[in-house]
Amino acid sequence: DTTVKQNPRYKLARVGKPVNLICSQTMNHDTMYWYQKKPNQAPKLLLFYYDKILNREADTFEKFQSSRPNNSFCSLYIGSAGLEYSAMYLCASSRQANYAEQFFGPGTRLTVL
Amino acid sequence: GDQVEQSPSALSLHEGTDSALRCNFTTTMRSVQWFRQNSRGSLISLFYLASGTKENGRLKSAFDSKERRYSTLHIRDAQLEDSGTYFCAAEGIASSSFSKLVFGQGTSLSVVP
Repeated sequence: DTTVKQNPRYKLARVGKPVNLICSQTMNHDTMYWYQKKPNQAPKLLLFYYDKILNREADTFEKFQSSRPNNSFCSLYIGSAGLEYSAMYLCASSRQANYAEQFFGPGTRLTVL
Repeated sequence: GDQVEQSPSALSLHEGTDSALRCNFTTTMRSVQWFRQNSRGSLISLFYLASGTKENGRLKSAFDSKERRYSTLHIRDAQLEDSGTYFCAAEGIASSSFSKLVFGQGTSLSVVP
């Protein structure tokens, strides 16, 4: 099974409220990634976990949190959603942290009102 | 940092014709992946190449094995269902243990009767 699963597929949130998105994979992959994708833009890497080590991109460092309680699951947490967080959030995983194909989930479409 | 220049940014094809998309890299890359974005905004993986060429039906992709500075995606006998936005993403050669995918800006393909 080479699928990455994401829940929910659609999420509606109010400005100022927290948002928690879930990703899972059963491929025993070392690395899991979170991307943000807006219309007419390339996906933007937010952060990734290599095993239990979290790496956050410098320009999104304070906006997103994540946890990886075990190898299979990874969450993306927004403490206080703003309108600018409306986007598709894509989770991906890879067997190792380099020289490896990334497998993408179907994404969660977040709309902040 | 590493850059990926994808061309063309938009392309219109008649059904049954052939064409090619291209991604140029400003530096040597380890591997390249090609994706098609579906109507929902999810990324569908088409190819992963560390070198050489791969073919799947009417799609064929090549990664310059010598200098590793460009990749192409060929579409043969274009069909209406090929319409969508195509992204390439390349894995840079990082100084650390982690490498990241660098995405092109996408090619919006429209296949018309």
